Order: sequence, then C-alpha cells, then structure tokens
Amino acid sequence: GQQLNQSPQSMFIQEGEDVSMNCTSSSIFNTWLWYKQDPGEGPVLLIALYKAGELTSNGRLTAQFGITRKDSFLNISASIPSDVGIYFCAGQTGTASKLTFGTGTRLQVTL
Amino acid sequence: GAVVSQHPSWVICKSGTSVKIECRSLDFQATTMFWYRQFPKQSLMLMATSNEGSKATYEQGVEKDKFLINHASLTLSTLTVTSAHPEDSSFYICSARDPTSGRSDTQYFGPGTRLTVL
Repeated sequence: GQQLNQSPQSMFIQEGEDVSMNCTSSSIFNTWLWYKQDPGEGPVLLIALYKAGELTSNGRLTAQFGITRKDSFLNISASIPSDVGIYFCAGQTGTASKLTFGTGTRLQVTL
Repeated sequence: GAVVSQHPSWVICKSGTSVKIECRSLDFQATTMFWYRQFPKQSLMLMATSNEGSKATYEQGVEKDKFLINHASLTLSTLTVTSAHPEDSSFYICSARDPTSGRSDTQYFGPGTRLTVL
C-alpha cells in the first residue's frame, strides 16, 4: 500500500535541542496526524491538522499542514529524554477514511 | 479519554495453529475498527477495516481467509490468524473510531499484540 515518506529516518540529538521532521506525499490529504510510538506499544496521537496552512501546537510540539496538502512538519522544542521513540505522520483523504502512515522517524536523545 | 485494549498482549504459538486477538473499546462504542500489522522497524500497514455487523474490508494483498475478522458488537472486534506460519510473526495493532468524539475521524489505538509463530 501507499506510504508517506518521512525524513530524517532517524536522528540523534542532545537533550535541550530542537527537532524538526517532515512528511511528504505524492497525493493530497485533507487531514494530517502525528503519532508517537514507544517500543512495544501502540501509537499515541500527538497533533491533528485539518486545514491547509494550519499551524498547531501541543506543549513543546508544533506541527504544520503544508499549503500544498502534500506535506506536513513536526517540530519538538527543547527535547527531553522521554521524547525518545518513533514518530509517525499519517494522512487521511476524508472524514472517516482510513489512515496512511509514514515510514517513521526514530528519535534518540543523548544526555 | 477513549481507551482501546487488546488481548493478549503477546502470544507464542506453533506453526499451523490458529490465534485469536481481541480488540475492545472500553468506554465508547466503535462502529468501525481497524487492524494493522507492523513488522520490526517498519511502519503500520492497514490490513482491514472492520464494521460492526458487516463483513470486513481487506486491503490489497491481505488474505481474508487467513486473517478472519469478526466485529460482532460495538465494543469488540477479533482478528484470527489461521494456520499461522513464522512469516506471520508481527506486531498486530487495532484502532477504533469514536463516532461521538468531536472529530468522527479520530482513531484510538490499542497497545498492540506481539505474535511469535515458532
């Protein structure tokens, strides 16, 4: 099935640094979602975006819905050890439609 | 908030046997549930969409006779892996849509079930 491309694939950062990751698609989506998955667990929703150009924050997390509807960005400010995990973007074409997940960005934080 | 549980959290079985995985929405009724499979270090891949009271819709390449899905009630969907083989070993995750939430497209994910087939 279709997958969204995420970059970077993985990253090591120092505690306190800011993090940026993005997600791109060849298709248009009407909803963009960002999830975090810890090892051995299901994904947890971080931020949901519903309008092109929308910028939404959730604590230290900020995400944007790209104007073209084909991309989205997630920024994490002042990273802490518990930010470690895999971050997935997901797109939806319409209300109640299925999710298409990105390839994931693995974040590791060094003290 | 909406909670989705899965049982068991992990299971080990012999090749050729069948395994049933349950997905429950604990505090809401879910007319639609989804089943995903995730191989190590890979993304989640949708296997099928389960609608209460009707047949599941399977994604291309997923064998419906091998992965039996039953959504008999508004709070329970089951995935049965029939005649399991080692290549079926994976992390199986379900999600459920809460139609009463502010956004009807919001999906809540279960904690996953780790299946290992020997």
